[in-house]
Amino acid sequence: EAGVAQSPRYKIIEKRQSVAFWCNPISGHATLYWYQQILGQGPKLLIQFQNNGVVDDSQLPKDRFSAERLKGVDSTLKIQPAKLEDSAVYLCASSLDNRAYSPLHFGNGTRLTVT
Amino acid sequence: GNSVTQMEGPVTLSEEAFLTINCTYTATGYPSLFWYVQYPGEGLQLLLKATKADDKGSNKGFEATYRKETTSFHLEKGSVQVSDSAVYFCALSEEDNFNKFYFGSGTKLNVKP
Repeated sequence: EAGVAQSPRYKIIEKRQSVAFWCNPISGHATLYWYQQILGQGPKLLIQFQNNGVVDDSQLPKDRFSAERLKGVDSTLKIQPAKLEDSAVYLCASSLDNRAYSPLHFGNGTRLTVT
Repeated sequence: GNSVTQMEGPVTLSEEAFLTINCTYTATGYPSLFWYVQYPGEGLQLLLKATKADDKGSNKGFEATYRKETTSFHLEKGSVQVSDSAVYFCALSEEDNFNKFYFGSGTKLNVKP
């Protein structure tokens, strides 16, 4: 089966600019996650979708970050305006459903550098 | 709340050495436990999982046993290879929490030939 697809692979922007990331989950996976991974740390959940509804966005900085999952398939994550501390790898993951033994499948991530 | 604690790295071993990476967890419910591996420049890949107490997950020579009494899920491998060099993440998820995952901070493994 095709894996989770993410683009772009790398992005360099200046602070205060905006950026968008795209994710296409594994076909048939109802649950989609966006994680932020700062160098040397574990992934931190930003937002979780179940189909096209938001399940958890408690750690999403809503003043600058937004995400949508139209039609319950692919998703975009946007940052506007970016700050230096947003430099990180943004990982998208999907799972078949929201049962606890349903593992996450990750994409290769987008490495964002804010200068 | 829920959390995962892993031993700090890096862990440096010679090829064919025995590997243990410690992982303990705190959970309000009854979680499923996972080990993920991340190779340079890639996303995380599922290595193994266990869904109930005393279950043993295994894959590619790696093993981990779900120990409810010690709230642990330590990763072991009898003989590591250079190709096992990567960062390993322990994680938990709870069904009552919509399969929200909690990850440890990761342990980097370096295997020398």
